[in-house]
Amino acid sequence: DAGVIQSPRHEVTEMGQEVTLRCKPISGHNSLFWYRQTMMRGLELLIYFNNNVPIDDSGMPEDRFSAKMPNASFSTLKIQPSEPRDSAVYFCASTEQGVYGYTFGSGTRLTVV
Amino acid sequence: AQKVTQAQTEISVVEKEDVTLDCVYETRDTTYYLFWYKQPPSGELVFLIRRNSFDEQNEISGRYSWNFQKSTSSFNFTITASQVVDSAVYFCALSDENRDDKIIFGKGTRLHILP
Repeated sequence: DAGVIQSPRHEVTEMGQEVTLRCKPISGHNSLFWYRQTMMRGLELLIYFNNNVPIDDSGMPEDRFSAKMPNASFSTLKIQPSEPRDSAVYFCASTEQGVYGYTFGSGTRLTVV
Repeated sequence: AQKVTQAQTEISVVEKEDVTLDCVYETRDTTYYLFWYKQPPSGELVFLIRRNSFDEQNEISGRYSWNFQKSTSSFNFTITASQVVDSAVYFCALSDENRDDKIIFGKGTRLHILP
């Protein structure tokens, strides 16, 4: 299994631009999670999906952030418009529902200048 | 509310020393899961262990061992005979049965193993 695949690995963008981060979970995993990691706040859960349905998006910091999961094998996290304070590493993780413990992707390092 | 506290922000030890990373958790639930993850300098998050709340047996895996004590709400991680490759940030985490697999992470402990 290829594991959880995130793209791109690195993204540098200018303030105000739209940014889309992508995630392909492990086949058969029906829960997907988006986390953000910063020095100040550590690992924060932004949103998670069960069976492609968003369950809890209370961690999404602002309306500029949105996430979708159109099918079981793909999810996106979009920031529009991006701001310098959005600079962070964004991780996607997946698991089988009821199996406690995730497999994480390698992360996307986002820099907004 | 759930909470995970890793009071040690950063630890440095000399290679071959033993080191213990502390983790204290809070939850109102009787069924929950505890985890440790490792984040090496390359940045990925590597799963190390999962322990459920009904299993208080200590676990040993090579040079790694974990001490789970419900009485003190602690789940400490010990590395014996540390090696430079153990240098990483280590995260303790908590999930309970009623939260749809959501995992709450501590702030992490950065471990430096000095040659």
